[in-house]
Amino acid sequence: KQEVTQIPAALSVPEGENLVLNCSFTDSAIYNLQWFRQDPGKGLTSLLLIQSSQREQTSGRLNASLDKSSGRSTLYIAASQPGDSATYLCAVRPGNQFYFGTGTSLTVIP
Amino acid sequence: GAGVSQSPRYKVAKRGQDVALRCDPISGHVSLFWYQQALGQGPEFLTYFQNEAQLDKSGLPSDRFFAERPEGSVSTLKIQRTQQEDSAVYLCASLISTTLANTGELFFGEGSRLTVL
Repeated sequence: KQEVTQIPAALSVPEGENLVLNCSFTDSAIYNLQWFRQDPGKGLTSLLLIQSSQREQTSGRLNASLDKSSGRSTLYIAASQPGDSATYLCAVRPGNQFYFGTGTSLTVIP
Repeated sequence: GAGVSQSPRYKVAKRGQDVALRCDPISGHVSLFWYQQALGQGPEFLTYFQNEAQLDKSGLPSDRFFAERPEGSVSTLKIQRTQQEDSAVYLCASLISTTLANTGELFFGEGSRLTVL
């Protein structure tokens, strides 16, 4: 079974700082990897989708990279803002299912 | 619809009651997933539909859990004889494509929070 790990579990940074969230997975045979954010009491909002043939995707201040062979992905957030405070989850798709990590809880301090 | 819609948003049930949770996916999305999310955890897979066909139900925790999507659009997750350990947020997600190699993004609803007393 695919295991997805996210480190750190929680992160607190001052506003304006650049930061990196990590996601690792045990089986490199995946079709894609997707990053989500989840606000308290809400569903998951898609941030970036990386197909297995891609190395990275960018959207605004977000950049996600994928190294399938080593089973790793990173989400880079530039110039963090208080509105970025949320839980960030990654998910990989080896087949019909998506497997999720437990998330990184990010707090950006004004 | 514009997004994935789930109802009810909150449900309180007494132990032993049956509950039904509804999911209305994005129009035209072929694939539909149900996930269970416990507090502080990532979503855990329950079941997957492609149109009206339930292709994978390996994540359903017991035979008290049942899901259907009879016309390939709206789906219902039913939990019979609810237990306290069923308390969780139940998330529905939909995907436009069935092709594994080049799928679009997975879109989630807001979830249905079930509390079993």
